[in-house]
Amino acid sequence: KAGVTQTPRYLIKTRGQQVTLSCSPISGHRSVSWYQQTPGQGLQFLFEYFSETQRNKGNFPGRFSGRQFSNSRSEMNVSTLELGDSALYLCASSSPGTSRYNEQFFGPGTRLTVL
Amino acid sequence: AQTVTQSQPEMSVQEAETVTLSCTYDTSENNYYLFWYKQPPSRQMILVIRQEAYKQQNATENRFSVNFQKAAKSFSLKISDSQLGDTAMYFCAFTPPTASKLTFGTGTRLQVTL
Repeated sequence: KAGVTQTPRYLIKTRGQQVTLSCSPISGHRSVSWYQQTPGQGLQFLFEYFSETQRNKGNFPGRFSGRQFSNSRSEMNVSTLELGDSALYLCASSSPGTSRYNEQFFGPGTRLTVL
Repeated sequence: AQTVTQSQPEMSVQEAETVTLSCTYDTSENNYYLFWYKQPPSRQMILVIRQEAYKQQNATENRFSVNFQKAAKSFSLKISDSQLGDTAMYFCAFTPPTASKLTFGTGTRLQVTL
């Protein structure tokens, strides 16, 4: 099976712009979670989508949003970018309804730099 | 809210030796899952080992094993016969049983040397 894929791998934006990141989960995985990784704050949970519905949300401002499509692919959007949004954004997928539901498989991440 | 603490920012071990990484957590839940993830330099996060809180038996995956002490809320990772490829950042993580919502520790950077 192919692993979790994320596009693009690298992105450079300027303050005030918006950005959309994409994640394709492992085939058959219907849950997609997003995390932000920074040197200062570490790994922080953004949100989880399952069956096109946001099921859990972390403590991030409303500028961070996401969605999931019927094929389980997910996108996250960050509007009005700030310098502090520079981070590695990780996507992870898992398979609810199985005994290994809580095991999350991570993609390679999208490195976002905000100038 | 759950918290995960890794008190060892960096550790070093010689090849073929054994090393133990520490992790403590805090939660009011009785059932949950604990994980160790490995993030090699510039490479993606890999699941190393998984422990279910309701299971008394410590999980083992080849050279990796855990010491899970539920009452003490401790979850350490032992790596036996360390290999150069074990060099990575190791994260301890917690999740409740009904959500894919990992809470991570700050990580331990492990360097395996010759």
